[in-house]
Amino acid sequence: DTGVSQNPRHKITKRGQNVTFRCDPISEHNRLYWYRQTLGQGPEFLTYFQNEAQLEKSRLLSDRFSAERPKGSFSTLEIQRTEQGDSAMYLCASSRWGQGGGYTFGSGTRLTVV
Amino acid sequence: GQQVMQIPQYQHVQEGEDFTTYCNSSTTLSNIQWYKQRPGGHPVFLIQLVKSGEVKKQKRLTFQFGEAKKNSSLHITATQTTDVGTYFCAGLASDSGGSNYKLTFGKGTLLTVNP
Repeated sequence: DTGVSQNPRHKITKRGQNVTFRCDPISEHNRLYWYRQTLGQGPEFLTYFQNEAQLEKSRLLSDRFSAERPKGSFSTLEIQRTEQGDSAMYLCASSRWGQGGGYTFGSGTRLTVV
Repeated sequence: GQQVMQIPQYQHVQEGEDFTTYCNSSTTLSNIQWYKQRPGGHPVFLIQLVKSGEVKKQKRLTFQFGEAKKNSSLHITATQTTDVGTYFCAGLASDSGGSNYKLTFGKGTLLTVNP
């Protein structure tokens, strides 16, 4: 069990550029979540997958955000036409349905839009 | 939508003093979870409470779930410098139209400990 892995750890991009983040969950976890966290705030839900199916996407997310989890393994989160307000820590977490217990979070990708 | 509120936002204590953070949900919860985030780190799962009135202990940490399953608390006895971090509660709504997987986090309580 190597934990939840996220890449890259940091990303600086110019406004208007597209960025993509990757998350590799714990292999036996079938649930994967994306959260966003800004300074002084708790993690905010973005989207959720059970296996390869995306079951919910936050209404707070604009159409510029898209996430995929092909084959129910790793997941990617893409932000198109980035804006300064997208600057945040993007956290991925995974869990196993029916096992109880909480989420295992990755170390996050810190995005800075300049 | 569901809201989870935590107080206080910040707490500074002398090492050895006790600490308590409180969590309140706008809706009844099926369970509540607590996480700790060290400065510069990511949230780490501490515990999950499921039953009404449940109390769980982890060494110097005591977690409680309210009878109405809408509030919770975390109490740390005799704080140590290793307790520094932000403590988040996160609730899973009991009636969310099938969305029984989405945790809603509070804003957290930042604990600092003066040695």
